[in-house]
Amino acid sequence: DIQMTQSPSSLSASVGDRVTITCRASQGIRNDLGWYQQKPGKAPKRLIYAASRLHSGVPSRFSGSGSGTEFTLTISSLQPEDFATYYCLQHNSSPFVTFGQGTKLEIK
Amino acid sequence: EVQLVESGGGLIQPGRSLRLSCAASGFTFDDYAMHWVRQAPGKGLEWVSGISWNSGSIGYADSVKGRFTISRDNAKNSLYLQMNSLRAEDTALYYCAKGSQGSGRDGYNFDYWGQGTLVTVSS
Repeated sequence: DIQMTQSPSSLSASVGDRVTITCRASQGIRNDLGWYQQKPGKAPKRLIYAASRLHSGVPSRFSGSGSGTEFTLTISSLQPEDFATYYCLQHNSSPFVTFGQGTKLEIK
Repeated sequence: EVQLVESGGGLIQPGRSLRLSCAASGFTFDDYAMHWVRQAPGKGLEWVSGISWNSGSIGYADSVKGRFTISRDNAKNSLYLQMNSLRAEDTALYYCAKGSQGSGRDGYNFDYWGQGTLVTVSS
C-alpha cells in the first residue's frame, strides 16, 4: 500500500503569511494527488487536483506543485477563512487510495 | 450545482446492520464513480468503498471488506452502503463523494462531497 506522510501536523500562522504544507508518497504516484480543505463541522472541499490544477471557484492564492513522491500545497497570503484542516489524497493506487494525516492550520 | 445528500445514519448496537443512502443531483449520475469516505470523531479521513459508473468495478478498504456492501441505482440517482456486523470502530461520520470520472484512477479523484451522516455503534 502507498503511504502518504503529511507535514506538519499542525501549523500556527498569521493573516497575510505564506504557508506551505507537504505530502510525501512512499512510492511514485505521478501527479495523482489532490488537496482538500475541511472546516470544523463541514465536509471536505477539493482545492487542487492533478497535483497542481485549481478546482473551480478556488481562490488563486492556493497553489499546488510536485510530481512523483513529493508534493506541496501553498497558500500565498493567508486569509481568515483559510484557517482549517488540510488533507492530501493519493489516488494512483486505486482502489486503495490513501489520505495524508491532515494539517491543522491555526491562527497565531 | 452538484448536491449529495446522505441519510440512514443513527445509533446502532454492535453486531447489527444499517443501510446508508446518498441521493445525488446536479450532474449525470451514471457517468461517474461514487464513493463512501468516513471520519471517526476527531480523526482523519478514511476511504471506505467505491463503485464505478456501471457497478463493474467495486473496491473496499480492508477494514470493512466482507462486512460492507456498496451498490448504486442509476435510475434513482442513488448510492448505498449496506453495513453488517457493525463494530464500535465503525463509529464515524460517513460521507458520500463523487469521482471525477466513471472509473480508473480519476474515478477515485473525489471532486464533491455530501455533508455526511453520523453512524454511532454502541450498546
